[in-house]
Amino acid sequence: DAGVIQSPRHEVTEMGQEVTLRCKPISGHNSLFWYRQTMMRGLELLIYFNNNVPIDDSGMPEDRFSAKMPNASFSTLKIQPSEPRDSAVYFCASSQGAGELFFGEGSRLTVL
Amino acid sequence: DQQVKQNSPSLSVQEGRISILNCDYTNSMFDYFLWYKKYPAEGPTFLISISSIKDKNEDGRFTVFLNKSAKHLSLHIVPSQPGDSAVYFCAASGADSSYKLIFGSGTRLLVRP
Repeated sequence: DAGVIQSPRHEVTEMGQEVTLRCKPISGHNSLFWYRQTMMRGLELLIYFNNNVPIDDSGMPEDRFSAKMPNASFSTLKIQPSEPRDSAVYFCASSQGAGELFFGEGSRLTVL
Repeated sequence: DQQVKQNSPSLSVQEGRISILNCDYTNSMFDYFLWYKKYPAEGPTFLISISSIKDKNEDGRFTVFLNKSAKHLSLHIVPSQPGDSAVYFCAASGADSSYKLIFGSGTRLLVRP
């Protein structure tokens, strides 16, 4: 079975550029999460969708970050404009209800 | 303000010995606790969990202990194997927001052959 699929795996961009990260959750899962991993803060929840609807976006750092889930099989996390402090690994995860979270392999973002 | 803390960034143990990874939390509303394991260039994967109504849960070589009064949990791996070398994340959630897993910063375990 295909797991959570994220793209790109690696992204290097310059400060001020727009970054779009993509996620395909596991088919049948109705919950989708975006997490950010940094050395200092570990894994932080950015936003949570349930049935394609954003339920909790309290972890989104600032207005430069936005996330969408236009349908049950696709989500994007956008950073515009990007800054060097946004450099991190961004994970997408999905679950069925309050069940176990399944994570993608992550998108490593480097903003120069 | 971190609600879930893993104060040891790294741990090194000899193969065959016990590995003990610790985690502290501050939110008394947390009622479900999990451990995730992460290999390099992969996403975290679920390892073991425990509900607040229990104080111990065992799965093969992995045992999680929960001390609610101390707001402390630990993961024991016995015997440790080189393949256990990974980053281990502690996570917690509360009844008020069961979907929201709060993760610690992780502990890197190295099991030496």
